[in-house]
Amino acid sequence: SQTIHQWPATLVQPVGSPLSLECTVEGTSNPNLYWYRQAAGRGLQLLFYSVGIGQISSEVPQNLSASRPQDRQFILSSKKLLLSDSGFYLCAWKSSGNTIYFGEGSWLTVV
Amino acid sequence: QKEVEQDPGPLSVPEGAIVSLNCTYSNSAFQYFMWYRQYSRKGPELLMYTYSSGNKEDGRFTAQVDKSSKYISLFIRDSQPSDSATYLCAMSLMDSSYKLIFGSGTRLLVRP
Repeated sequence: SQTIHQWPATLVQPVGSPLSLECTVEGTSNPNLYWYRQAAGRGLQLLFYSVGIGQISSEVPQNLSASRPQDRQFILSSKKLLLSDSGFYLCAWKSSGNTIYFGEGSWLTVV
Repeated sequence: QKEVEQDPGPLSVPEGAIVSLNCTYSNSAFQYFMWYRQYSRKGPELLMYTYSSGNKEDGRFTAQVDKSSKYISLFIRDSQPSDSATYLCAMSLMDSSYKLIFGSGTRLLVRP
């Protein structure tokens, strides 16, 4: 069966520090992968998506970047965090049946 | 105007009630509709998905889509305290990206 792993689950980072969130999917190949952000009490905002290795589409201009170095690995990064980058970051993948499943998320607090 | 509108609630109902959750959307090109349940500090869990207008039932849950009115609903029968969560509607164009556009979520509280 397919599973999605996302880490770290929680992190507190100072303003100006770098960020790396990692997501891997098991049990499938060449899935569409997504990074979403959810601000407190809000819906999900799509940040990046990827339809294949090295293919990244950005939805929102911001302080973040994404990379897909391997088929089932998706990484969200920042060189210098801002206070406004705080939030709940969710990785997701699309199944062959066109359903989209989410990981457990990473809580980021920038202080 | 947001592409997907959803009443944030909170919606408070007694146990056993029928719950109706709704979303409206503006883009008539949306083809694929999903409902997610999200417990506090957890990732969203897929509940229901449908491509077409009409009803789709799964246990206590029924998803309803009216493309002519650009309106979707999720009904929960015999609601339980464990149904207390935030419910998110989402929809997609079914292009190569299949990216989902979400409503802001409705917080539901089912009182014992």
